[in-house]
Amino acid sequence: GENVEQHPSTLSVQEGDSAVIKCTYSDSASNYFPWYKQELGKRPQLIIDIRSNVGEKKDQRIAVTLNKTAKHFSLHITETQPEDSAVYFCAASHPYGNNRLAFGKGNQVVVIP
Amino acid sequence: EADIYQTPRYLVIGTGKKITLECSQTMGHDKMYWYQQDPGMELHLIHYSYGVNSTEKGDLSSESTVSRIRTEHFPLTLESARPSHTSQYLCASSDGSLTDTQYFGPGTRLTVL
Repeated sequence: GENVEQHPSTLSVQEGDSAVIKCTYSDSASNYFPWYKQELGKRPQLIIDIRSNVGEKKDQRIAVTLNKTAKHFSLHITETQPEDSAVYFCAASHPYGNNRLAFGKGNQVVVIP
Repeated sequence: EADIYQTPRYLVIGTGKKITLECSQTMGHDKMYWYQQDPGMELHLIHYSYGVNSTEKGDLSSESTVSRIRTEHFPLTLESARPSHTSQYLCASSDGSLTDTQYFGPGTRLTVL
C-alpha cells in the first residue's frame, strides 16, 4: 500500500518567515494530495489540496507544490503568523486503493512571535 | 449546516465497561472512517465503511467493533474498556468522488481508569 513520510517532524520559525514541510510518497499511481491542519484540541481540517495533473496550487499565504517524478509534495506557508502554529498532516490517495487516504505522521509547526 | 458530529466529546469510564462512541454525518457521504489519535500524534485508521452494511478493519489493530446500518450513522463500540484504550477517537467521512476528501468530526476524548 501507499506509504507517506513527512519531514521534518518539528519545525520552529520566526513570525513572518516562511515554513516548508515536505512529504514523500511511495505509490506512483497516487493522484490526490491533501494537507490538513490540526490546532491543539481541535479536529484536522483540510487547508489545501492538489491533484496530480497540476504542479502547484496557491491559496493566499499557503501553497502546495507537487513533483511527480520525485514523488514528493510540499506545503509552503509564507509570512507565518502565530495562528499557523499547529500539526500539519499530508496525505495521498489513488483510485486503485479505493481512494483511501494514507496519512503522514504529522509535522509540529511552531511560530515564534 | 452539513457537518459530522460525535458524542460524547469527553468520556471518563472505568475498566471493563462497555461503551459506544457515536458518529453521525449530515453530508450525505457514503464513506466513513474511525481514527485513533493520541494528542498531536499520528492518525491511526482503525475501521472504515464504504456504505451501508460494509465495514472493514483499518491499518491499526483494534479491539473495537463498528456497524453501519444507516448511511449517516457509524458507531464504534468497545465491549470491555481498558486503560490502553485511552485516546482520542476521530470519525471522518468522504463523498467517494475522485478526490474523496475526508472531513473530520470534533473527536471523542476517552479516558479509561
